[in-house]
Amino acid sequence: QKEVEQDPGPLSVPEGAIVSLNCTYSNSAFQYFMWYRQYSRKGPELLMYTYSSGNKEDGRFTAQVDKSSKYISLFIRDSQPSDSATYLCAKGGSGYSTLTFGKGTMLLVSP
Amino acid sequence: DVKVTQSSRYLVKRTGEKVFLECVQDMDHENMFWYRQDPGLGLRLIYFSYDVKMKEKGDIPEGYSVSREKKERFSLILESASTNQTSMYLCASSFLVAYTDTQYFGPGTRLTVL
Repeated sequence: QKEVEQDPGPLSVPEGAIVSLNCTYSNSAFQYFMWYRQYSRKGPELLMYTYSSGNKEDGRFTAQVDKSSKYISLFIRDSQPSDSATYLCAKGGSGYSTLTFGKGTMLLVSP
Repeated sequence: DVKVTQSSRYLVKRTGEKVFLECVQDMDHENMFWYRQDPGLGLRLIYFSYDVKMKEKGDIPEGYSVSREKKERFSLILESASTNQTSMYLCASSFLVAYTDTQYFGPGTRLTVL
């Protein structure tokens, strides 16, 4: 079983929709969670990080961690066509500075 | 802002050639990483380095080597390129002791081996 699982999508939504992107993980030893956004043919860019259970908000983006269920989510409010990208979740804290990435979910926001 | 740069955005090489991919970061990060990214397989760690002249194998080191002679620079070497090494190569860096192990990525090099 892969340590971080993500649905590859694509997830297609209309502009203005609320988007929910999700990951599950299997190893409780990992403490920190990150969301990266990757546009086509570009490198991933850090969107948000969080380490605790609960919500963290940054503008239209909210990251949510549920450690009891080993479930992490990214919510995007008022989605825009410019949000169309692949979203990667990652977890760290293994003590080796390495991250474990999900394979990414492709999001398509249509105008 | 953290800046990670990679020497080439696109590269085309022939089978058997020796290929060098270079990565430079300007944030005094101790850790540097090389990944490859393929459709359906996600990001896979090739090698990483936590200090000058130090290196650790990642998940898929076969066919690759690395060099870190200066803190800001991390090179990935394909000793004899093969067609199955056609991929997007991504470099990243991070602090050695960090609250979240957050990594910062370069723009990527799309390598095609013919």
